[in-house]
Amino acid sequence: NAGVTQTPKFQVLKTGQSMTLQCAQDMNHEYMSWYRQDPGMGLRLIHYSVGAGITDQGEVPNGYNVSRSTTEDFPLRLLSAAPSQTSVYFCASSYSPRVGTEAFFGQGTRLTVV
Amino acid sequence: KQEVTQIPAALSVPEGENLVLNCSFTDSAIYNLQWFRQDPGKGLTSLLLIQSSQREQTSGRLNASLDKSSGRSTLYIAASQPGDSATYLCAALNQGGSEKLVFGKGTKLTVNP
Repeated sequence: NAGVTQTPKFQVLKTGQSMTLQCAQDMNHEYMSWYRQDPGMGLRLIHYSVGAGITDQGEVPNGYNVSRSTTEDFPLRLLSAAPSQTSVYFCASSYSPRVGTEAFFGQGTRLTVV
Repeated sequence: KQEVTQIPAALSVPEGENLVLNCSFTDSAIYNLQWFRQDPGKGLTSLLLIQSSQREQTSGRLNASLDKSSGRSTLYIAASQPGDSATYLCAALNQGGSEKLVFGKGTKLTVNP
């Protein structure tokens, strides 16, 4: 059982470049979300989706776009990378937050913007 | 706005000791509280999930408790081992329209042989 899969694991970007972080889950979960983790700041929610075709902003959405065309995939797009977006990014999924189900996390993508 | 706090930020104990990690939250309107483990450079591994109607959950040497009225959860680790060294994170799942996990900043645990 693969769970939540993130690709790539590591990425270095130049300022102004764009890229997409991929996230896929094979558990038929409704809810998917993206977090970033920074030293001293903890994990902060970027965007989330409660189902295919539905997305919403979290705590720190600026500079990021998301879409949810299928239940399985929830890519995160950086439109024009900035050094402030250097971070570790985690994708998570759960069956349904409204009934309080367990959240599962991917292994993370370490992004450096130079 | 939900705020989750974990104290202490770091803890160092000798092998074999029983220990308690603390998590407090400001808004008791939660679906559940989840404890995670994170090893350096790795992702988050779910340890225990306590639903809002429950008081505790156990898995092996781990026991997590939840007291919604006081806004507190604890993670008890029995007979600690060097392999338990990691950062432990708690997260509260809010009710009421913004169903999202709110994380504490974690407790970094070191168990010395």
